[in-house]
Amino acid sequence: AQTVTQSQPEMSVQEAETVTLSCTYDTSESNYYLFWYKQPPSRQMILVIRQEAYKQQNATENRFSVNFQKAAKSFSLKISDSQLGDTAMYFCGTYGGSQGNLIFGKGTKLSVKP
Amino acid sequence: GAGVSQSPRYKVAKRGQDVALRCDPISGHVSLFWYQQALGQGPEFLTYFQNEAQLDKSGLPSDRFFAERPEGSVSTLKIQRTQQEDSAVYLCASSVLGRTEAFFGQGTRLTVV
Repeated sequence: AQTVTQSQPEMSVQEAETVTLSCTYDTSESNYYLFWYKQPPSRQMILVIRQEAYKQQNATENRFSVNFQKAAKSFSLKISDSQLGDTAMYFCGTYGGSQGNLIFGKGTKLSVKP
Repeated sequence: GAGVSQSPRYKVAKRGQDVALRCDPISGHVSLFWYQQALGQGPEFLTYFQNEAQLDKSGLPSDRFFAERPEGSVSTLKIQRTQQEDSAVYLCASSVLGRTEAFFGQGTRLTVV
């Protein structure tokens, strides 16, 4: 069975600083995708960044980047130059299984402080 | 519409009542997912459709939960004889195919009293 573990229930960071959110996963699939989603207090989940497991290069989207360690099954999210609008729940997720269902970890609540 | 639409946004049900939650995915999206999200928790997978086929329903917590997508577009999640532990936000997401970006709706907040 596939699992996603986020070991940091809450984190805080000062505005303009850098923060890293951790995620580990387990899957028996050889071809899978990893995602980070953001859920602001308004509740709608939005995609932050995605990584295809077959790509060695770490994905980057503006201030967001990942550190993908395939052998260790680790997929951390780095947010640079944190902004107040980054305050949200962050969920790590992965597609797994031949049928393609998408599962998530329990989330990390990030607070960006002025 | 431009995004995934869920209705109603809020639903209050008396214990024992049946409820139906609707999800309108993005047009052309093959994959559709339902999740249950308790307060302060991550989305828990309930079920997954590819077109009209329900490929995985392993996350449905009991036989009181039933989901359908008869024409491969709109989906309905039905909960029979609601109980207090069913109180949660129910999220729907759709994607072009499995393993690509999933787009989420705003969710339906169900409160069972």
